[in-house]
Amino acid sequence: KQEVTQIPAALSVPEGENLVLNCSFTDSAIYNLQWFRQDPGKGLTSLLLIQSSQREQTSGRLNASLDKSSGRSTLYIAASQPGDSATYLCAVRPGAGNMLTFGGGTRLMVKP
Amino acid sequence: DAGVIQSPRHEVTEMGQEVTLRCKPISGHNSLFWYRQTMMRGLELLIYFNNNVPIDDSGMPEDRFSAKMPNASFSTLKIQPSEPRDSAVYFCASSYSGTGGTGELFFGEGSRLTVL
Repeated sequence: KQEVTQIPAALSVPEGENLVLNCSFTDSAIYNLQWFRQDPGKGLTSLLLIQSSQREQTSGRLNASLDKSSGRSTLYIAASQPGDSATYLCAVRPGAGNMLTFGGGTRLMVKP
Repeated sequence: DAGVIQSPRHEVTEMGQEVTLRCKPISGHNSLFWYRQTMMRGLELLIYFNNNVPIDDSGMPEDRFSAKMPNASFSTLKIQPSEPRDSAVYFCASSYSGTGGTGELFFGEGSRLTVL
């Protein structure tokens, strides 16, 4: 059974810092990995999707990498801003089937 | 693109009442998912449909919960009778899984249910 872990569970940084959020998974037979952002009281917003054949994806100040063999993905946020404060979740889709497995999320606070 | 649309956004009801949550997936998507989110258990998959057919409902807590997808543009999640422990945010999500599709999952804004 796939297990997805996100460390740390919470992170507080001053504005302007570059930071890395971690996601690890136990079964490397994945189809893709997706990073989401969730603001309080809101739904999940898709940030980046990495297919199993890809190593990384970039969108603006966000860069996500994928190392299938080691079962890890990282989300890099450059020059963090208070508006980046949210919970970030990663989710893994298996090689067969549609059911994503979610990590518990990292709650990020960027202080002005 | 309107995104995944859920209704109602908020529902407050009394124990024992029937609750119906509604979802309109993104047009063209062929997979639809119902999730429940609570502080204690995080995000849980309840059921998912592929091409309007329920594929896996192993996450449905008990017989009080039922879900339908009568056509490609509409799904319901029903709780009857509702209990206080059903209080949570219920999310609907959709994706396109098929030739040329990435499988990217898109979520609605959720329906916050409070059962008194």
